[in-house]
Amino acid sequence: DTAVSQTPKYLVTQMGNDKSIKCEQNLGHDTMYWYKQDSKKFLKIMFSYNNKELIINETVPNRFSPKSPDKAHLNLHINSLELGDSAVYFCASSEHITGELFFGEGSRLTVL
Amino acid sequence: AQSVTQLGSHVSVSEGALVLLRCNYSSSVPPYLFWYVQYPNQGLQLLLKYTSAATLVKGINGFEAEFKKSETSFHLTKPSAHMSDAAEYFCAVIWSGGYNKLIFGAGTRLAVHP
Repeated sequence: DTAVSQTPKYLVTQMGNDKSIKCEQNLGHDTMYWYKQDSKKFLKIMFSYNNKELIINETVPNRFSPKSPDKAHLNLHINSLELGDSAVYFCASSEHITGELFFGEGSRLTVL
Repeated sequence: AQSVTQLGSHVSVSEGALVLLRCNYSSSVPPYLFWYVQYPNQGLQLLLKYTSAATLVKGINGFEAEFKKSETSFHLTKPSAHMSDAAEYFCAVIWSGGYNKLIFGAGTRLAVHP
């Protein structure tokens, strides 16, 4: 069983479209995250949820809206996609504040 | 501002040679430190972590790292490189007192040649 799973793994879309990436973890963790990895491999945190409550929002444009229906799921919806949104988006989860982050395999978004 | 610096975006070693990947952090409070590895087209996998126990931390695949507070460093080493070690390596820090906000360094690509 995959601990942290993301869908889709690849996403190619046109500028201006709206798309979603889904994430599920079966580890029983309370905290989930979205990270963005750019073309230079730099990883930056976007959001974090703890028990469905948003606890970290790193000045991400309003076009990005995370949603956590329950503590095992954290989805990312992106409106009006722009070229600069092209990246690999990683979902992760952790058990507690100093716990190890478990990462999904990433969702590669390409905006044309 | 809190930051993590990895010296050297690319490191190349021969198979069997010592691997040394450098990481320095800026912090006024004790951090929690991690090394993650990313193989091509995959997610990140934890190699090892320092959480204020022993300063020398042993991880998976023969890697280890030493926390040196006086040098604010957490360098990653492996005595003998293997071809399968070729990957991107990330140093990361969580500062105590806040949420689990993992801050990554820019990464170091390790190449291993025969």
